[in-house]
Amino acid sequence: GDSVTQMEGPVTLSEEAFLTINCTYTATGYPSLFWYVQYPGEGLQLLLKATKADDKGSNKGFEATYRKETTSFHLEKGSVQVSDSAVYFCAYSRSNDYKLSFGAGTTVTVRA
Amino acid sequence: DTAVSQTPKYLVTQMGNDKSIKCEQNLGHDTMYWYKQDSKKFLKIMFSYNNKELIINETVPNRFSPKSPDKAHLNLHINSLELGDSAVYFCASSQSVHAGSGGQYFGPGTRLTVT
Repeated sequence: GDSVTQMEGPVTLSEEAFLTINCTYTATGYPSLFWYVQYPGEGLQLLLKATKADDKGSNKGFEATYRKETTSFHLEKGSVQVSDSAVYFCAYSRSNDYKLSFGAGTTVTVRA
Repeated sequence: DTAVSQTPKYLVTQMGNDKSIKCEQNLGHDTMYWYKQDSKKFLKIMFSYNNKELIINETVPNRFSPKSPDKAHLNLHINSLELGDSAVYFCASSQSVHAGSGGQYFGPGTRLTVT
């Protein structure tokens, strides 16, 4: 069945390091892809999204490109800050579906 | 202004009790959701309502019953609470019923602890 798989955490980085969180999906057709972020003690927030192949979503210095050929939507940030410490979720939704399905989440800790 | 609010934020109760969690959104959205997040942060959809009509009802015990009195509110009632119900419950809303059309807006969560 359809699913999304993201890299396991936890990930620990130093400030100003480069962050990559891998996300791959298995879905028929052209699903919409999302990254959500959950800061400690809070609900999830939409970070960025892409709805078709080669789309690039970006927000707060984060980027992800919808790669149909590799069925991937990897999240990247060039220089992380302590405030980026959070749990990051990759998610997808098939066209006209009511459901948003989430990956298992990747915990990222950035040390000063 | 809080877009999606939930009450209470924390709920500690004993096994066998009945409890409710309330959710309100002031975004004018038509669709609302309940999710359960376990201790490993895994997030699972439970229910979704669109214009007060139930559209998603995942495999959830009958002890869980959602109620939507109007578009802006979606409450979750849980009967005969069990230890395994301990989790963080998130309410969310979206403009469109189709999840791929845009983002979902999440509330701050209700941490339920059953002892």
